[in-house]
Amino acid sequence: SAVISQKPSRDICQRGTSLTIQCQVDSQVTMMFWYRQQPGQSLTLIATANQGSEATYESGFVIDKFPISRPNLTFSTLTVSNMSPEDSSIYLCSGRPPNTEAFFGQGTRLTVV
Amino acid sequence: AQSVTQLGSHVSVSEGALVLLRCNYSSSVPPYLFWYVQYPNQGLQLLLKYTSAATLVKGINGFEAEFKKSETSFHLTKPSAHMSDAAEYFCAVSGGGAQKLVFGQGTRLTINP
Repeated sequence: SAVISQKPSRDICQRGTSLTIQCQVDSQVTMMFWYRQQPGQSLTLIATANQGSEATYESGFVIDKFPISRPNLTFSTLTVSNMSPEDSSIYLCSGRPPNTEAFFGQGTRLTVV
Repeated sequence: AQSVTQLGSHVSVSEGALVLLRCNYSSSVPPYLFWYVQYPNQGLQLLLKYTSAATLVKGINGFEAEFKKSETSFHLTKPSAHMSDAAEYFCAVSGGGAQKLVFGQGTRLTINP
């Protein structure tokens, strides 16, 4: 399966600042997804990112807080804006070719202080 | 809408014993079902998948799962647990042309020596 390189792997940020997470895929993927995994919990989908169109956000997530870019079929970024301690989580990007399994980046462990 | 329920947030077995992790799903369309494993500080790795072919699916590391439509279940098993199996396991569902995955709550598997 394809490989996603996600960076940074972890960061400690001050509240009120923003962090941009990058994901690079080693092959072209139509659909990419961004998930949040809060401490001790499961994965919650933030948004679906398609190349050439605005991301589709799930209920409870908004573009102003989590802007996403998808400039081509191998790259995407997620920005966590105006961070608060409640944003401390693991953020994972995922790609999924049609009718096959999704593959994941290693995750970004974010701590907001 | 689709959903997944994993029974038991924490399962503990002895090394060499049977591993059974339970997953029940809800889907209004024929589902695709997946089991992923997450080791500490890592992303998700696919264990196995069901995509409407054989109902008994064999995966990596000796794991297998059986799709039972009548019971809406997709339980994960391994005949003999190994210490290296200690991790978090997630069941996920997709279907109806939707590429996004819906995850269960996760089950933390502990192996006792």
